[in-house]
Amino acid sequence: DAKTTQPNSMESNEEEPVHLPCNHSTISGTDYIHWYRQLPSQGPEYVIHGLTSNVNNRMASLAIAEDRKSSTLILHRATLRDAAVYYCILRGSQGNLIFGKGTKLSVKP
Amino acid sequence: DAGITQSPRHKVTETGTPVTLRCHQTENHRYMYWYRQDPGHGLRLIHYSYGVKDTDKGEVSDGYSVSRSKTEDFLLTLESATSSQTSVYFCAISETGVLRELFFGSGTQLSVL
Repeated sequence: DAKTTQPNSMESNEEEPVHLPCNHSTISGTDYIHWYRQLPSQGPEYVIHGLTSNVNNRMASLAIAEDRKSSTLILHRATLRDAAVYYCILRGSQGNLIFGKGTKLSVKP
Repeated sequence: DAGITQSPRHKVTETGTPVTLRCHQTENHRYMYWYRQDPGHGLRLIHYSYGVKDTDKGEVSDGYSVSRSKTEDFLLTLESATSSQTSVYFCAISETGVLRELFFGSGTQLSVL
């Protein structure tokens, strides 16, 4: 199964943009890139997903490299409520999401 | 919030006893999943179901069994609980598989003493 690599932790200031990187050099041509986040003491929640083109929704933007070996989740204006663990995930061989350890994002006021 | 209810929310049990965790959904989604979450490991897939009576193993299925006799219920059973199964267990549902988003329940904290 294709794996992802993310920094263990990142810090941001409130109301500033945040760029969360993810490397997935062994991604296959049909793997979608998914992002989920997990707030403290809660289950994960969906953020965004994409295949090749950049994607935007109300929560975030996803920028995918042209060779698809890396991607970046962009939070345009971080809030304190965005403090969470962010998971970059590729579809597994069973068709299921395989979670890694994610990036713990801290947001400072 | 998606209609997913996990029960119990917390359970303490002893080594060697059977334990069943229940996931109940009101969304009529086809796919249901059980994950466990441990410090340093993130979330790991235990079992999943793609329809009534249709289940398959995930990456950490040893020591666990599942059943799905109705669309809305997905049960996870630890036949003989061990201390290594102390974890937080999350149920998730999805409409048409992995390309659609997963909705997660609030989790069950299980402690095996």
